[in-house]
Amino acid sequence: GENVEQHPSTLSVQEGDSAVIKCTYSDSASNYFPWYKQELGKGPQLIIDIRSNVGEKKDQRIAVTLNKTAKHFSLHITETQPEDSAVYFCAASRRWGKFQFGAGTQVVVTP
Amino acid sequence: GAGVSQSPSNKVTEKGKDVELRCDPISGHTALYWYRQSLGQGLEFLIYFQGNSAPDKSGLPSDRFSAERTGGSVSTLTIQRTQQEDSAVYLCASSLGLRGDTQYFGPGTRLTVL
Repeated sequence: GENVEQHPSTLSVQEGDSAVIKCTYSDSASNYFPWYKQELGKGPQLIIDIRSNVGEKKDQRIAVTLNKTAKHFSLHITETQPEDSAVYFCAASRRWGKFQFGAGTQVVVTP
Repeated sequence: GAGVSQSPSNKVTEKGKDVELRCDPISGHTALYWYRQSLGQGLEFLIYFQGNSAPDKSGLPSDRFSAERTGGSVSTLTIQRTQQEDSAVYLCASSLGLRGDTQYFGPGTRLTVL
């Protein structure tokens, strides 16, 4: 089955700096890669996703890149703000199937 | 409602009791998922419903766990003879299923077994 590894487990950045979270996956048939943000006491919220026919996708300060050959994908947050502090999860799936989630990254943005 | 809803938001029970957790998916979503999140941990897949197909139960940790989905909408996750290790947040998600794969999560039910 699919296995997703996520690094780092914690990430502390100064406000205004960039944050990068990396994930690798094992199933070459996986073709959908979402990223979720989870704030304390809430369910995960989708922030951006990418499909296997696209190499990069950007939405304002957030971008995701995908390298199918190496089977890894990354989340990039630029100009970080205190409200970006949360736990971020990557996931991988085949279409219309269950997700395999990474273990999560605790991001702390310090003013 | 606009999103996935779950009830109760918090549940405290005694070891050995049965509990039922409810999930109302987004209207029109044919796929429904249950996950478990232990304190400070990632999301552990439990069960997946897609339309009228047989559910994928491959993530259920023991036969004390079961889930139903009635009328293709509301789902109930039942845990029998609860144990302290069942304490966790139980998250439900739904998606358009065969028409789309993005999963939208509810706020979760925090279960505490004393």
